[in-house]
Amino acid sequence: GQNIDQPTEMTATEGAIVQINCTYQTSGFNGLFWYQQHAGEAPTFLSYNVLDGLEEKGRFSSFLSRSKGYSYLLLKELQMKDSASYLCAVFGSDYKLSFGAGTTVTVRA
Amino acid sequence: IAGITQAPTSQILAAGRRMTLRCTQDMRHNAMYWYRQDLGLGLRLIHYSNTAGTTGKGEVPDGYSVSRANTDDFPLTLASAVPSQTSVYFCASSENKREATDTQYFGPGTRLTVL
Repeated sequence: GQNIDQPTEMTATEGAIVQINCTYQTSGFNGLFWYQQHAGEAPTFLSYNVLDGLEEKGRFSSFLSRSKGYSYLLLKELQMKDSASYLCAVFGSDYKLSFGAGTTVTVRA
Repeated sequence: IAGITQAPTSQILAAGRRMTLRCTQDMRHNAMYWYRQDLGLGLRLIHYSNTAGTTGKGEVPDGYSVSRANTDDFPLTLASAVPSQTSVYFCASSENKREATDTQYFGPGTRLTVL
């Protein structure tokens, strides 16, 4: 089975940086995904990590440490439109995604 | 059609009634998935299909059935709806490359309320 933990809520100011942590305990691991979900909408793909280290995509970066069962999503230069839920998901040995409950980020002016 | 469509957008259903949620994708993806999303629990996999003609059970399959007669369509049926099936249902698809880059793409969701 999979156990995936991430904080429920975070608040940050426009222009700031926020780091969303995700820890996982899984029976198998083939990668870690981050999705963004605005209220009332579908999840949309942000990034994935297969190997340890940092993957950078514009204002968003994602980090993975497989030995620690740990990932984080870093959002830089926060904008109001970044207010959303961010979902951490582990791609297991069965090639299926298991999702955390999501972290709701609120960006304030 | 571009991507994944789901129908209906929302539905209120009496307990005991039968309901089919529709999902269609035009990306020629091999794999399709049905999830439910409940507050505080995140997305949970109900059923999946790795390729047309095959289906499998996910984490929470009880009370649901699926079929995959062709590549594009993956309907989810509630044979006799119960209030605990009140949720938002998302359909997703992926190429099924069986590797870590197998990104899943989600439909807009169906909000179902069972009274």
